Amino acid sequence: DTGVSQNPRHKITKRGQNVTFRCDPISEHNRLYWYRQTLGQGPEFLTYFQNEAQLEKSRLLSDRFSAERPKGSFSTLEIQRTEQGDSAMYLCASSQTYTEQYFGPGTRLTVT
Amino acid sequence: AQTVTQSQPEMSVQEAETVTLSCTYDTSENNYYLFWYKQPPSRQMILVIRQEAYKQQNATENRFSVNFQKAAKSFSLKISDSQLGDTAMYFCAPPYGNNRLAFGKGNQVVVIP
Repeated sequence: DTGVSQNPRHKITKRGQNVTFRCDPISEHNRLYWYRQTLGQGPEFLTYFQNEAQLEKSRLLSDRFSAERPKGSFSTLEIQRTEQGDSAMYLCASSQTYTEQYFGPGTRLTVT
Repeated sequence: AQTVTQSQPEMSVQEAETVTLSCTYDTSENNYYLFWYKQPPSRQMILVIRQEAYKQQNATENRFSVNFQKAAKSFSLKISDSQLGDTAMYFCAPPYGNNRLAFGKGNQVVVIP
């Protein structure tokens, strides 16, 4: 069990560009979650997958954000037309049931 | 909206001493799990301890223990025999529905040698 991995770990982009992050959950975890964390705050829920189905999305997930989990394994989170307010740490977590979630190291996005 | 309150934003504790972090939350769920997570300066969130709401016995995990009071919706974390590696942000995380955790703003704990 290698834990949840996320790539890239850091991303610097210019405003208006598109970015994509990847999350590889713990194998056999069928639940996958995306959270966003800004400085000095706790993580905020963005979206949730059970297998390949995206079952819940937060209102924080504007139409510039899209997430996929095509084969029920890894997931991608894409942000289109990035804005400075998108600068944050994007955390991925996975779980086998509705109990504890295991987090990855996060992708830190800086929009300049 | 889910409300999670963690007061005492920053706490310092001498090595080997005990520190208690408080958390209150609001939920309409009856059977659920609650968690404390730790986020060291490296920023990876690590699960510290979990409590099942239907269990009356408070959870213990080595030097970490909780005081769970379901009726009061209170879930405090006690760190005994504090170690330098305990320096981190600590987040209380009750559930918000079945599909997400709701995090408080966190408590910064600094262990002083």
